[in-house]
Amino acid sequence: GQNIDQPTEMTATEGAIVQINCTYQTSGFNGLFWYQQHAGEAPTFLSYNVLDGLEEKGRFSSFLSRSKGYSYLLLKELQMKDSASYLCAVKDTGNAGNMLTFGGGTRLMVKP
Amino acid sequence: DSGVTQTPKHLITATGQRVTLRCSPRSGDLSVYWYQQSLDQGLQFLIQYYNGEERAKGNILERFSAQQFPDLHSELNLSSLELGDSALYFCASSVEGGQGTNSPLHFGNGTRLTVT
Repeated sequence: GQNIDQPTEMTATEGAIVQINCTYQTSGFNGLFWYQQHAGEAPTFLSYNVLDGLEEKGRFSSFLSRSKGYSYLLLKELQMKDSASYLCAVKDTGNAGNMLTFGGGTRLMVKP
Repeated sequence: DSGVTQTPKHLITATGQRVTLRCSPRSGDLSVYWYQQSLDQGLQFLIQYYNGEERAKGNILERFSAQQFPDLHSELNLSSLELGDSALYFCASSVEGGQGTNSPLHFGNGTRLTVT
C-alpha cells in the first residue's frame, strides 16, 4: 500500500514564495505528480518527477528525493489565483496500470 | 479545458436508485480512470480501463461497475445508492495506461452526485 502526507492548510501572502511538502511511503516508487485543484473544479496537472532533483516550470518548481520519500512544490511570485488545493500523487509499481494514488491535498490561501 | 467530457454535471437522486455517469476521453487517449472525491476525503481511485479492457482496480464497491466501449467512452454505474455515495465523481484519461508510462492524467470537470 501507499501512505502520502501533506499539510492540510497553508497561508501565504501575494508576491511571496511558498513551499508545499509531501512525504510518501510506497513499496515500489514509479513517479510523483503534482496537481492543482480549485474548489469544485477538475484537478489540473502541474508537474512530474521520477528522478531526484528539481524540475522548473515558470513560477512553479517541484523537487524529489527518492531516498527520503520526499517532494515539495515551490510556488514563486504568488498570485491571488493560486489559492487552491495542491495534490501530491504517487505512481506505484505494484499495479498493472497507470493509476495515481493521491494525498489529501494542501489548501493554500493567498492573502493580499 | 482538458478535453475530457463528463455528463451530467449534476445529478440528484434518492437512496436505493441507480445512476449512470458518462465520460468521453481526450481525443487520442486510450485509457480512462474513475475517481471519487468526497468532502472529507481526497481523490479515491475506483477503476481504470485501457482500450476497452479493465487494467487496474481500486476500492470500488460491488454496487459500482464500469465499462469502456469500442469508441473509448466509459460509463460508471452506481446502484442501490446510499447517502454516503454523495460525492464528486471524476473521470480522467491518458494516452497510455501501463506501468512503463508516465502519461499524466487529464481530468474532466466531474459529476456531482447528491443522494437524498
